[in-house]
Amino acid sequence: EAQVTQNPRYLITVTGKKLTVTCSQNMNHEYMSWYRQDPGLGLRQIYYSMNVEVTDKGDVPEGYKVSRKEKRNFPLILESPSPNQTSLYFCASSFGGSGNTIYFGEGSWLTVV
Amino acid sequence: ELKVEQNPLFLSMQEGKNYTIYCNYSTTSDRLYWYRQDPGKSLESLFVLLSNGAVKQEGRLMASLDTKARLSTLHITAAVHDLSATYFCAVDNDSPGNSGYALNFGKGTSLLVTP
Repeated sequence: EAQVTQNPRYLITVTGKKLTVTCSQNMNHEYMSWYRQDPGLGLRQIYYSMNVEVTDKGDVPEGYKVSRKEKRNFPLILESPSPNQTSLYFCASSFGGSGNTIYFGEGSWLTVV
Repeated sequence: ELKVEQNPLFLSMQEGKNYTIYCNYSTTSDRLYWYRQDPGKSLESLFVLLSNGAVKQEGRLMASLDTKARLSTLHITAAVHDLSATYFCAVDNDSPGNSGYALNFGKGTSLLVTP
């Protein structure tokens, strides 16, 4: 079954404690990205990757890092989480770029206290 | 900056009625996406519209794209309760020279279909 899998799905953490949200897709997609969803703001892109070792900033990259060492994995790293990073995070993937259907993971609810 | 505006943001409609959700965007693009999101769930792709005049239909939902007007519509025919969800439109900001692209989402339309 084609899937984008994120972990953890739910996490409560404390300010400053580094955390990683993993994302893995089994569709051999080149393109992967991370979004955050906040009430009243919709979804906003954090980072994206066009292929292995190729990443770039989206609209709201501050406070986040990513890496793309393998095609299937695209982890999101919060080096020093702050309360304003409390949000619902989605990983997404697609074949190639523009015009292709983008598949979203189930989402990761992150609370930073 | 690409802006994507949906309206209405909230919609309560009776079963059996028809209604249209509108999605306006501020830049030239011929790639428009519609997604559905159930509470606490992921986004499910409904339609990908890739050219001016594109029309796609799936069940009681029909989406269209007018790139000259920078407008897409999602029309609901004879609504049923199962269509209750939040619907997002998104436009991608791919432009010449970009090595990548992002979907710019509208704020979503929360649809409630009541008996």
